[in-house]
Amino acid sequence: EPEVTQTPSHQVTQMGQEVILRCVPISNHLYFYWYRQILGQKVEFLVSFYNNEISEKSEIFDDQFSVERPDGSNFTLKIRSTKLEDSAMYFCASSVFTEAFFGQGTRLTVV
Amino acid sequence: EDQVTQSPEALRLQEGESSSLNCSYTVSGLRGLFWYRQDPGKGPEFLFTLYSAGEEKEKERLKATLTKKESFLHITAPKPEDSATYLCALQGTGTASKLTFGTGTRLQVTL
Repeated sequence: EPEVTQTPSHQVTQMGQEVILRCVPISNHLYFYWYRQILGQKVEFLVSFYNNEISEKSEIFDDQFSVERPDGSNFTLKIRSTKLEDSAMYFCASSVFTEAFFGQGTRLTVV
Repeated sequence: EDQVTQSPEALRLQEGESSSLNCSYTVSGLRGLFWYRQDPGKGPEFLFTLYSAGEEKEKERLKATLTKKESFLHITAPKPEDSATYLCALQGTGTASKLTFGTGTRLQVTL
């Protein structure tokens, strides 16, 4: 069964460093998303991407964040200068239209 | 602003003891109401989409229903493997594609 894959599963980084989280969405999907979940809290929307551009973003998705689809299969989230409060599970998702399928997540720990 | 409230926060059932989880929502226009299952440390796993009041969907021991103000996830004769957090999310017509999640109901099914 097709699935969204994310790498790495766990990343530890020092405050102020740049990190890139990687995702391979399901191949025939058109919409791509990043969500995050801080430990013990709800899943929060960050950004959606369609037709090679951002279609929607939340207030969380500020200038420190960027997304890219560098080739036909990968979708990346870059955090330019990580803060302690960026520590969370980051989920990539993809959809044909409305039903989004999520990856297993990258646990980002900022120390 | 789209809002999702789930209750109860946690529910403990004995195997075979049926119950319902509640998701109440406010949205100006509903594009879809989604149920996901999330196991600890994993990404949300898609279960159902409901689009209009009166709609019902079933999968094994789970049945989801929708009214104009709330959705229910009915669990019939649950088994220990149904233990997970069940998330409700909505997509409003005022957004491009983002999902707004509730905080979830943590279900534990014991023998």
